[in-house]
Amino acid sequence: SQQGEEDPQALSIQEGENATMNCSYKTSINNLQWYRQNSGRGLVHLILIRSNEREKHSGRLRVTLDTSKKSSSLLITASRAADTASYFCATDHTGGFKTIFGAGTRLFVKA
Amino acid sequence: DVKVTQSSRYLVKRTGEKVFLECVQDMDHENMFWYRQDPGLGLRLIYFSYDVKMKEKGDIPEGYSVSREKKERFSLILESASTNQTSMYLCASSKRTAFNQPQHFGDGTRLSIL
Repeated sequence: SQQGEEDPQALSIQEGENATMNCSYKTSINNLQWYRQNSGRGLVHLILIRSNEREKHSGRLRVTLDTSKKSSSLLITASRAADTASYFCATDHTGGFKTIFGAGTRLFVKA
Repeated sequence: DVKVTQSSRYLVKRTGEKVFLECVQDMDHENMFWYRQDPGLGLRLIYFSYDVKMKEKGDIPEGYSVSREKKERFSLILESASTNQTSMYLCASSKRTAFNQPQHFGDGTRLSIL
């Protein structure tokens, strides 16, 4: 399967702590994206990193990509209760036309 | 603000019924997608369309069909609803470029088949 796999499946932290989520995939990619989904809502795009990039920042988000290990990580710094959501990685594979979504990491930030 | 609108947030239907789920986007996007989301399985692509009247099967098209008569509207049809089609259905759209672009999602339709 080309599907990205997030790790951990669930994560519970205190407000103010950093949260790190990982994603692994199996075949070469053009880019990798991270999305957030609040309970009962649709997915919201957070950040896209291309295969020739190693790191990208957006506000409190930091994404890294290691194509040699076929893995990516999403770091949320100084987490807030409002960051409580599910986070999905999505990969666009070389020669493919679909975006493949993983099963997600459920993040719970305690106030 | 860009928007993808799904016609219903919650829907309850009976087995054997023909069910229509509607999705409209206001971003002039070429690509539109239908996914279903089930716990532990992530998003699975049912169908997508890259232009008016064009459609391509995704990973799980069985039991579904789609219609794209206008650029802004993409409909998902359950020909004869069954209980295993109870799920959250998500519509998305994106611009068509050489490489896949971020997708914009609607808020989903939670469909229950009784």
